[in-house]
Amino acid sequence: GAVVSQHPSRVICKSGTSVKIECRSLDFQATTMFWYRQFPKQSLMLMATSNEGSKATYEQGVEKDKFLINHASLTLSTLTVTSAHPEDSSFYICSARDPGTSIGNEQFFGPGTRLTVL
Amino acid sequence: GENVEQHPSTLSVQEGDSAVIKCTYSDSASNYFPWYKQELGKRPQLIIDIRSNVGEKKDQRIAVTLNKTAKHFSLHITETQPEDSAVYFCAAVNQGGKLIFGQGTELSVKP
Repeated sequence: GAVVSQHPSRVICKSGTSVKIECRSLDFQATTMFWYRQFPKQSLMLMATSNEGSKATYEQGVEKDKFLINHASLTLSTLTVTSAHPEDSSFYICSARDPGTSIGNEQFFGPGTRLTVL
Repeated sequence: GENVEQHPSTLSVQEGDSAVIKCTYSDSASNYFPWYKQELGKRPQLIIDIRSNVGEKKDQRIAVTLNKTAKHFSLHITETQPEDSAVYFCAAVNQGGKLIFGQGTELSVKP
């Protein structure tokens, strides 16, 4: 099946710094990728839809200037958490759709990135 | 927008018993309903899915039913095993392609 990777898997940073998370589709081209955030013992919440070659679409309540998304190629989307604060500590997961499969709605998830802001 | 409600939030069963998790959705245009199993610190893992043109689907010990009229769908796990213990999420995908998750059910299978 389609494989999505994420890097880094874990990051610890000081408050005020920026952190970049990469999401890659390894064996398919993804025109659309999605970014989710999951707090402990909670569900996955969609943050934004990343579209290759165009601006990301953010969900209500998600600050686009704080969570910068870039989808510069068909296999890479990046999420940058700018000026991170302790409340941004969470599990960030990306997903991608493989338009080449017969099941076009299925999303393939990356392994997630655990962000801890001190 | 789409809203997905999931119940129960926790479920404890004895090994060998069945487990049922129920979800409702609000957007009648939603057409794809996956179920995920997530272990602690790991990515969600697709275990079964169903499309809006199908009422029921089964894969070994796992089955999913969909009632489009009532806008609810359910996950059934039979002959539960301790390794089935995890958090299960239902989700719905609307025509815009967004995947909206339910709140999750923490399933515990006691040996």
